[in-house]
Amino acid sequence: DVKVTQSSRYLVKRTGEKVFLECVQDMDHENMFWYRQDPGLGLRLIYFSYDVKMKEKGDIPEGYSVSREKKERFSLILESASTNQTSMYLCASSFMRTSYNEQFFGPGTRLTVL
Amino acid sequence: GESVGLHLPTLSVQEGDNSIINCAYSNSASDYFIWYKQESGKGPQFIIDIRSNMDKRQGQRVTVLLNKTVKHLSLQIAATQPGDSAVYFCAERYSGGGADGLTFGKGTHLIIQP
Repeated sequence: DVKVTQSSRYLVKRTGEKVFLECVQDMDHENMFWYRQDPGLGLRLIYFSYDVKMKEKGDIPEGYSVSREKKERFSLILESASTNQTSMYLCASSFMRTSYNEQFFGPGTRLTVL
Repeated sequence: GESVGLHLPTLSVQEGDNSIINCAYSNSASDYFIWYKQESGKGPQFIIDIRSNMDKRQGQRVTVLLNKTVKHLSLQIAATQPGDSAVYFCAERYSGGGADGLTFGKGTHLIIQP
């Protein structure tokens, strides 16, 4: 079974803190994604990566950055957390872009910024 | 705006009845569709997918129907059980879509009445 794990299920941080969210997948997937999920807004793509050291902006990249130093690991960084970044963060992975395979999701990290 | 949408944000059904969750899409070039299930506090899980060259696909207790004429996708769940209570998302894939072509709908919350 494909497994996507996220470093924390729940996280509470203060405004201005630097926050790291880690995601690891064990299926050698090329693609990795970070979404945030908010009530009524569905899944919104923050950043994604097709390969090591490669990143592309999604729909809402402002206030975030990412890092992919190894194929299995994709990190989301909040440079200076703000209260409007309180949300559920979901990591996903999938096989190469031309495939029809679905995205596999992690359990999510619920981040609260005070 | 969203190219994938849901007809109803909430659907309530009696336990044992069949459930039908609908999804409209606007991009006629979409060639692949997926249904996800998201239980409370968890990440989305793949249920079933269908390619645009098919009209119907069946899984265990679930059936996906695709009507390309009216750009409509539906998920049918037979003999709904309490464990089916979740939010259901559809996603479509098209060239020029999201990260790897996938664009997600906002979801329908399925509530099971005892």
